[in-house]
Amino acid sequence: SQQGEEDPQALSIQEGENATMNCSYKTSINNLQWYRQNSGRGLVHLILIRSNEREKHSGRLRVTLDTSKKSSSLLITASRAADTASYFCATDLLSGGGADGLTFGKGTHLIIQP
Amino acid sequence: NAGVTQTPKFQVLKTGQSMTLQCAQDMNHNSMYWYRQDPGMGLRLIYYSASEGTTDKGEVPNGYNVSRLNKREFSLRLESAAPSQTSVYFCASSEARAGGEQYFGPGTRLTVT
Repeated sequence: SQQGEEDPQALSIQEGENATMNCSYKTSINNLQWYRQNSGRGLVHLILIRSNEREKHSGRLRVTLDTSKKSSSLLITASRAADTASYFCATDLLSGGGADGLTFGKGTHLIIQP
Repeated sequence: NAGVTQTPKFQVLKTGQSMTLQCAQDMNHNSMYWYRQDPGMGLRLIYYSASEGTTDKGEVPNGYNVSRLNKREFSLRLESAAPSQTSVYFCASSEARAGGEQYFGPGTRLTVT
């Protein structure tokens, strides 16, 4: 079952604008991660935020986590053409749920228009 | 330092044929994973191996078997391929057993006709 769900499914913005995508999940977590996938490639880890953290920054990325709402957001500032990719949130289950590994959402496809 | 490598990159099988997808990592990670990615579905965990010598089922294990050959290598076998197994398969590895950053291979695109 899908633990995380990203919103929107697709987003198209102009280069230089900020891009925000959201993730909602269903059960308690230890941490939440964001990954990027360029077309036809494997996933690349962007950032991890722990359940006791509310905000984290890495370069042009800002991630927030609201455990009371079971949601997270990823903000990419000053977007570039190279940011065009699909972005996925991934969670691990606090209880383990009988399986390790991560549970991924369906992703947000981001297109940066030059 | 190649990271996570997968072979083959592409494969076409007929229904009922078998094949093994190979994965290797050179980062000395304990945990390894197999996922499949279908259009519009995100990634789903097939099997994982928390350490050398152990394997466990994930969300969608039916129709697959795995072998953790050694710390570096984790293979995925389809004994009798079905069209429903048409997908892109990703191998990943991580240091931590659960919840840590994972490093992904480039994927194997499998088509079953």
